[in-house]
Amino acid sequence: GDSVTQMEGPVTLSEEAFLTINCTYTATGYPSLFWYVQYPGEGLQLLLKATKADDKGSNKGFEATYRKETTSFHLEKGSVQVSDSAVYFCALSDKGFQKLVFGTGTRLLVSP
Amino acid sequence: GAGVSQSPRYKVAKRGQDVALRCDPISGHVSLFWYQQALGQGPEFLTYFQNEAQLDKSGLPSDRFFAERPEGSVSTLKIQRTQQEDSAVYLCASSATGYATNEKLFFGSGTQLSVL
Repeated sequence: GDSVTQMEGPVTLSEEAFLTINCTYTATGYPSLFWYVQYPGEGLQLLLKATKADDKGSNKGFEATYRKETTSFHLEKGSVQVSDSAVYFCALSDKGFQKLVFGTGTRLLVSP
Repeated sequence: GAGVSQSPRYKVAKRGQDVALRCDPISGHVSLFWYQQALGQGPEFLTYFQNEAQLDKSGLPSDRFFAERPEGSVSTLKIQRTQQEDSAVYLCASSATGYATNEKLFFGSGTQLSVL
């Protein structure tokens, strides 16, 4: 079945450092890919998405590119802030944006 | 309301007890999903409603799990004879339109269930 693999955390960075969180997927078809973020005490929020190969999703300075050839959707940000500290989940869906298969999540800790 | 609301926020149950978890989706939202998130894991799909119809329950782990949405708004997830492996955060999510559309999901903060 479909699956998503993320790098284990926590990822610990200093403010203004460059961020990469790796995500690879296995799917039989051509899924849509997502990054969700969970801030402490809050519900999951959609951060960005891409629906086809070579699409780049972006939001709040975060970017991820749908790479079909490497089945990857790595999350990047050029300069992280303390407020970016959260758990980040990579996910896919074969149909629409709702029935999602999630990775295990990666905790990001950003220190001043 | 402004967002998806779940109650209770925390629930402690003794093994063998029945529990009921409530979800209030965003008003007017057609689709409602339940996910289960075990400690250190990503959420896993449990079941889906379109209005009052339960169209997909393929993720329910056993017949002890039952969900309903009788009037197409509030939903309840019921777990009978709880076991320790049921301990998890149960997430509810809703979206404005039907399944398999590109309408985004809005998640609640979840109910953390601990079975002792």
